[in-house]
Amino acid sequence: DAGITQSPRHKVTETGTPVTLRCHQTENHRYMYWYRQDPGHGLRLIHYSYGVKDTDKGEVSDGYSVSRSKTEDFLLTLESATSSQTSVYFCASKGGWGASYEQYFGPGTRLTVT
Amino acid sequence: GQQVMQIPQYQHVQEGEDFTTYCNSSTTLSNIQWYKQRPGGHPVFLIQLVKSGEVKKQKRLTFQFGEAKKNSSLHITATQTTDVGTYFCAPPNITQGGSEKLVFGKGTKLTVNP
Repeated sequence: DAGITQSPRHKVTETGTPVTLRCHQTENHRYMYWYRQDPGHGLRLIHYSYGVKDTDKGEVSDGYSVSRSKTEDFLLTLESATSSQTSVYFCASKGGWGASYEQYFGPGTRLTVT
Repeated sequence: GQQVMQIPQYQHVQEGEDFTTYCNSSTTLSNIQWYKQRPGGHPVFLIQLVKSGEVKKQKRLTFQFGEAKKNSSLHITATQTTDVGTYFCAPPNITQGGSEKLVFGKGTKLTVNP
């Protein structure tokens, strides 16, 4: 597996508080992704990045923002967490442009919003 | 948005039985990737299929891409307990353009009774 780490691995927070999840990769991959995984929904893309400071929305981006100031780091922020954002969040990276490249996933962050 | 239908959603087999999961799309796909997620783990890339009618094998796993490139399947021969997990198909997200985003099926969760 590629060197992708996520922090924190587990977090419990209260409704209305801001939360930032961090993804760090050591592969110098250009593309990075944030997904959420919920029972019955599979993996859904929140945001992705195609380079430093270049990001784009995914299918479930409302309530989330991202930033990428360095190639190796991709941050996901919940400005004001809601219970509907309780989920497992996965970060992924991809080494090159085009469909022939696979995505490498981090270990995930389990977020609970009470 | 673009969706892929993956069936069945769950499959329980006795060890040694075969298993097949199917992925269907209403649109023609340029390619499709398959991922496996072990319980409590993260998705891991298995394979990519690109050509119409393509068949690829990985030991006991056989992957097929339909002639019309609208469906794909994963077949496991003589399942083992190590095959337990959720299998996802993931073609490119055509509606959002480019091949940099994948749309994941909801997955087929396989359990194996030893």
